[in-house]
Amino acid sequence: AQSVTQPDIHITVSEGASLELRCNYSYGATPYLFWYVQSPGQGLQLLLKYFSGDTLVQGIKGFEAEFKRSQSSFNLRKPSVHWSDAAEYFCAVAPDNYGQNFVFGPGTRLSVLP
Amino acid sequence: ETGVTQSPTHLIKTRGQQVTLRCSSQSGHNTVSWYQQALGQGPQFIFQYYREEENGRGNFPPRFSGLQFPNYSSELNVNALELDDSALYLCASSLEGGYTEAFFGQGTRLTVV
Repeated sequence: AQSVTQPDIHITVSEGASLELRCNYSYGATPYLFWYVQSPGQGLQLLLKYFSGDTLVQGIKGFEAEFKRSQSSFNLRKPSVHWSDAAEYFCAVAPDNYGQNFVFGPGTRLSVLP
Repeated sequence: ETGVTQSPTHLIKTRGQQVTLRCSSQSGHNTVSWYQQALGQGPQFIFQYYREEENGRGNFPPRFSGLQFPNYSSELNVNALELDDSALYLCASSLEGGYTEAFFGQGTRLTVV
């Protein structure tokens, strides 16, 4: 069965600092990988996704993520964090079939200091 | 901007009762899925409907059931509510299933007392 781990429950960074959120997955084949963001009281918004091809993917709001097959990782990065980036971030994996049945990680809560 | 709307936004029910949650998909989307998000956890897949047929289900008991209507709106029904059913329930819709972008609604917060 697929699983996703996000080792950091809570991360605090200063505004303007760089950010890296870690994600590791367990899946037999190459999965479809996603990062979603959830602001308080809001649904989930897709930041970026990886299906195949270039292992460095660009997303919205200045985020990028790198797929590393050898490490089963899909870490999310941003060079300069803004106060509005404070939210919960979820990494998700989907199996290589047809559907929306994502497996989500437990999430990482990001706090941003002024 | 997501066009997925869920109702109600908040709901309190008593253990043993039944509840129906509703989701209006984004215009043109024919695939809808439901997720349960317990406090402090990631969402867990309940099931998915494609063109009114269930075509995927997570590890949830049969008392969790759903419907998708011809206009592609959807319902999640939960019978015999338990305290552990207290969670945020999220609906997501997409066009033609697959890995086109899934748009999530804001969720329904269900509290079982």
